[in-house]
Amino acid sequence: DGGITQSPKYLFRKEGQNVTLSCEQNLNHDAMYWYRQDPGQGLRLIYYSQIVNDFQKGDIAEGYSVSREKKESFPLTVTSAQKNPTAFYLCASSRTRDKAFFGQGTRLTVV
Amino acid sequence: DAKTTQPPSMDCAEGRAANLPCNHSTISGNEYVYWYRQIHSQGPQYIIHGLKNNETNEMASLIITEDRKSSTLILPHATLRDTAVYYCIVNSGNTPLVFGKGTRLSVIA
Repeated sequence: DGGITQSPKYLFRKEGQNVTLSCEQNLNHDAMYWYRQDPGQGLRLIYYSQIVNDFQKGDIAEGYSVSREKKESFPLTVTSAQKNPTAFYLCASSRTRDKAFFGQGTRLTVV
Repeated sequence: DAKTTQPPSMDCAEGRAANLPCNHSTISGNEYVYWYRQIHSQGPQYIIHGLKNNETNEMASLIITEDRKSSTLILPHATLRDTAVYYCIVNSGNTPLVFGKGTRLSVIA
């Protein structure tokens, strides 16, 4: 079954801890993206990658890090430097100049 | 990418057509109009996109004005499951999608 998979669906983190969100796709898409969504707001771009071993910062990259070692995978690490990490995180992928497919999201809560 | 303007909310009676407007007066010649929707607590779902001509698929129709400064997404027979936030996005395809706040469509029984 082709698609984009995010895990886990819910994640709880203690203050000061780093946490990594997983995003995997089997659509053979070159580009992958991470967005953050706060309640009642639209999606904001954190990082994106258009090719393996390369990625660019989005509008709100501070406190986050990513890697793109494989075409299928684009994990996002929320570091302790991110002051307000509680949010809904969405991963997406696309071919160049084509529509994007989104995962079902990870809801991160700091406890 | 060009900015879009959408009404914050709309209501539609179940079974009627839902017409969602979008203004994109600064759209460039190489930019497409994309529509996505997001049902509560889920990832956005692609609906349709177009460049100049009107488009139709199994989900919706997209009407783009001749000057391309505005468009309308039409859901021909809205159901309760169409209740969602609808995002109109202008994008050339070479850069990540930029989301606004969209239109919250409520389909009422």
